[in-house]
Amino acid sequence: GENVEQHPSTLSVQEGDSAVIKCTYSDSASNYFPWYKQELGKRPQLIIDIRSNVGEKKDQRIAVTLNKTAKHFSLHITETQPEDSAVYFCAARNYNQGGKLIFGQGTELSVKP
Amino acid sequence: DTGVSQNPRHKITKRGQNVTFRCDPISEHNRLYWYRQTLGQGPEFLTYFQNEAQLEKSRLLSDRFSAERPKGSFSTLEIQRTEQGDSAMYLCASYDWRGGGEQFFGPGTRLTVL
Repeated sequence: GENVEQHPSTLSVQEGDSAVIKCTYSDSASNYFPWYKQELGKRPQLIIDIRSNVGEKKDQRIAVTLNKTAKHFSLHITETQPEDSAVYFCAARNYNQGGKLIFGQGTELSVKP
Repeated sequence: DTGVSQNPRHKITKRGQNVTFRCDPISEHNRLYWYRQTLGQGPEFLTYFQNEAQLEKSRLLSDRFSAERPKGSFSTLEIQRTEQGDSAMYLCASYDWRGGGEQFFGPGTRLTVL
């Protein structure tokens, strides 16, 4: 079945450093890849997404890259701040399979001041 | 508030009892999804509706689970004869499939089965 693997499970960085989280997906027909940030006890919130016809997308300090051939996509956060500390989830969606999101296992990011 | 809402936010029940959760999606969204999230894991898909039609159910959704979206607006998720393994956060999400964009999540209902 469909599967999304996410690494690392935990990531600790110093404030101002960059953080990179990587995901691989199994369904080659996946065509939409969102990243969600979830703070403790709160709902997942979309921070950036990318579609399969685009290789890279950037929004201020956040960027996502997609390699369709390798079925791999990554989240890059630059100039990290303590408020970036949260759990981040990648997901993949095949629009032709009902649009459900298949999530990775999550990465707990800790940004130390 | 025009976002996705869920009620109750917390539910504590004893094993064997039935529980029902409600989700109110963003009004113009035709698709509604239910996910389950256990501690330290990503959300797992349970089922989804397009308008009032339930179009897919995950194998995670045992016979004890049933979901409805009777008028294509709000949805309910019922768990019968709850088990301790049902303890989790139940998340609802909605989106407009014609736009193909973001799924918006509700705050979730945290279920604890004693």
